[in-house]
Amino acid sequence: GPKVLQIPSHQIIDMGQMVTLNCDPVSNHLYFYWYKQILGQQMEFLVNFYNGKVMEKSKLFKDQFSVERPDGSYFTLKIQPTALEDSAVYFCASSSTGGNTGQLYFGEGSKLTVL
Amino acid sequence: QQQVRQSPQSLTVWEGETTILNCSYEDSTFDYFPWYRQFPGKSPALLIAISLVSNKKEDGRFTIFFNKREKKLSLHITDSQPGDSATYFCAASRAGNTRKLIFGLGTTLQVQP
Repeated sequence: GPKVLQIPSHQIIDMGQMVTLNCDPVSNHLYFYWYKQILGQQMEFLVNFYNGKVMEKSKLFKDQFSVERPDGSYFTLKIQPTALEDSAVYFCASSSTGGNTGQLYFGEGSKLTVL
Repeated sequence: QQQVRQSPQSLTVWEGETTILNCSYEDSTFDYFPWYRQFPGKSPALLIAISLVSNKKEDGRFTIFFNKREKKLSLHITDSQPGDSATYFCAASRAGNTRKLIFGLGTTLQVQP
């Protein structure tokens, strides 16, 4: 089936450093999402992105977070500076039609450990 | 406040039994309810979904029953297999331009052989 690729699969950084998580969505998909999952528990919505713009972001999407997809390349989540509570698995997802009518395809996740 | 609630939190059944996973919501603007399955260390993947126009959706051994009046759904897995052991997430979405999925906390299912 369609694949969403995430790089890196695991990143360990010191608190205060910057990290960029990369997502290669399914080609021709138009909607992009980031979700945060801690300890295999709830998938918490962070942000969604369409047509080059953030459509909605949750309370978890702090000022230190930013997303972009320059020139149709990777969809990135940047955290600067990182905090201990940012340790989690971050899942990228993409969809051709959006979450309320179409399937979200998730990547394998990027596990972020902030020390 | 949890917008999508799931119960039980975890469940163990024997191979061959029928598993029932529950989901409820309160927001009447939700109109699309997918169930995602996540194996340990893997990404969630769509299993089956239902919208407001249906009361039941069936796909092989998996069936969603939808009580719209009570805002409750249940996922039934017949002839449960050890390979069904995973975490099952109920999610909800509403029409509109944000198009985000809101997930419940999940139910972790263990099927014993």
